[in-house]
Amino acid sequence: EVQLLESGGGLVQPGGSLRLSCAASGFTFSNYAMNWVRQAPGKGLEWVSVIGTTGTTTYYADSVRGRFTISRDNSKNTFYLQMNSLRAEDTAVYYCAKNRGSSTSSCSDHWGLGTLVTVSS
Amino acid sequence: DIQMTQSPSSVSASVGDRVTITCRASQGISTWLAWYQQKPGKAPKLLISSASSLQSGVPSRFSGSGSGTDFTLTITSLQPEDFATYYCQQANSVPNTFGQGTKLEIK
Repeated sequence: EVQLLESGGGLVQPGGSLRLSCAASGFTFSNYAMNWVRQAPGKGLEWVSVIGTTGTTTYYADSVRGRFTISRDNSKNTFYLQMNSLRAEDTAVYYCAKNRGSSTSSCSDHWGLGTLVTVSS
Repeated sequence: DIQMTQSPSSVSASVGDRVTITCRASQGISTWLAWYQQKPGKAPKLLISSASSLQSGVPSRFSGSGSGTDFTLTITSLQPEDFATYYCQQANSVPNTFGQGTKLEIK
């Protein structure tokens, strides 16, 4: 059974940093591109970032480019989202999601439960 | 970036009704279109990929169609568990943008 478990969310002050982790199990992690998708309170889904199977290919939404960094460790079946220079508008539930295949452009067939990031002073 | 526009933003219906939600892409995306269902406090669930391919375990009352720029999600014979928010997402090119969502409410 595919499982994705996010961790690392919490309360952080504006300008601060946070690193989210997503631990994967139940599939061959290194064969799949992986995403972060967020959802601000009461709002819709926003795609944030994707990483390819080896970690060398990454893409970001304009809203986070230059502040967020996605990475992965295939030996640990885990990928990450390093979030720097956080703003109030980054407040959201962050979901990790598995792509249907190795392509970085794909829909996501499995999702984690989400972790809440709150940026506030 | 490709913009995805869903309509309506919300719809009220009754158990047993048929509902159609539309999604329009700002440029052609072939059939690279997915539909998700999200219930309050839960993660999205993939219902349909490639515009019309039903995911395993998804009831057959859900169906998708379309290609190019115009797509539809149809739910026939609504069940109580179908009341949720539905999102489309284009998988043609990064960023894989979502529509703004359609909230399906009980009438």
